[in-house]
Amino acid sequence: DTGVSQDPRHKITKRGQNVTFRCDPISEHNRLYWYRQTLGQGPEFLTYFQNEAQLEKSRLLSDRFSAERPKGSFSTLEIQRTEQGDSAMYLCASSLGLMMNTEAFFGQGTRLTVV
Amino acid sequence: AQTVTQSQPEMSVQEAETVTLSCTYDTSESDYYLFWYKQPPSRQMILVIRQEAYKQQNATENRFSVNFQKAAKSFSLKISDSQLGDAAMYFCAYRIRDDKIIFGKGTRLHILP
Repeated sequence: DTGVSQDPRHKITKRGQNVTFRCDPISEHNRLYWYRQTLGQGPEFLTYFQNEAQLEKSRLLSDRFSAERPKGSFSTLEIQRTEQGDSAMYLCASSLGLMMNTEAFFGQGTRLTVV
Repeated sequence: AQTVTQSQPEMSVQEAETVTLSCTYDTSESDYYLFWYKQPPSRQMILVIRQEAYKQQNATENRFSVNFQKAAKSFSLKISDSQLGDAAMYFCAYRIRDDKIIFGKGTRLHILP
């Protein structure tokens, strides 16, 4: 197991275009998180899944953002009609089980630049 | 609202010296976990240390230790014998029950040779 994998690592898109990111969690991890991180800031929670169920979606997330986790495996995060303010690092993390002490493992992130 | 505050945006420490990073949090829950994560430049975030709120004993991991003051809602990280590889952003975070992990804004740590 190579850890949490995110694809692509970098994405440059024109304003108004749609983009989709993929996250492959560590196998058997049933909890999957998406965070957004801007330069010099801490990760901001976007949404998370328990298996295929999306448990919570941040109020920061506009209707242009949608996430899925079909069959409780990999997850995708789609941003429609991108805006310059969407430029950020998008981080995915996964953890095993429902216990609070379980470690969340992070991927290397997808850096989005909207021009 | 659940918040995590890191009041030191940047800190510097001489190699081999000790440094303490501060963190305070706000929650009405009595059962939760606290974490310190490290994010080296252009690399992924990794867990440094974790603390169970119900444990009075402070967690330690080699050169890393915490000072957990539950009543004050304070959770500082002490790095002893600082090494060049410790240079990174450090994020304080906490988690209640099976909820999401909430992060602070981070402290950038510089190690001076």
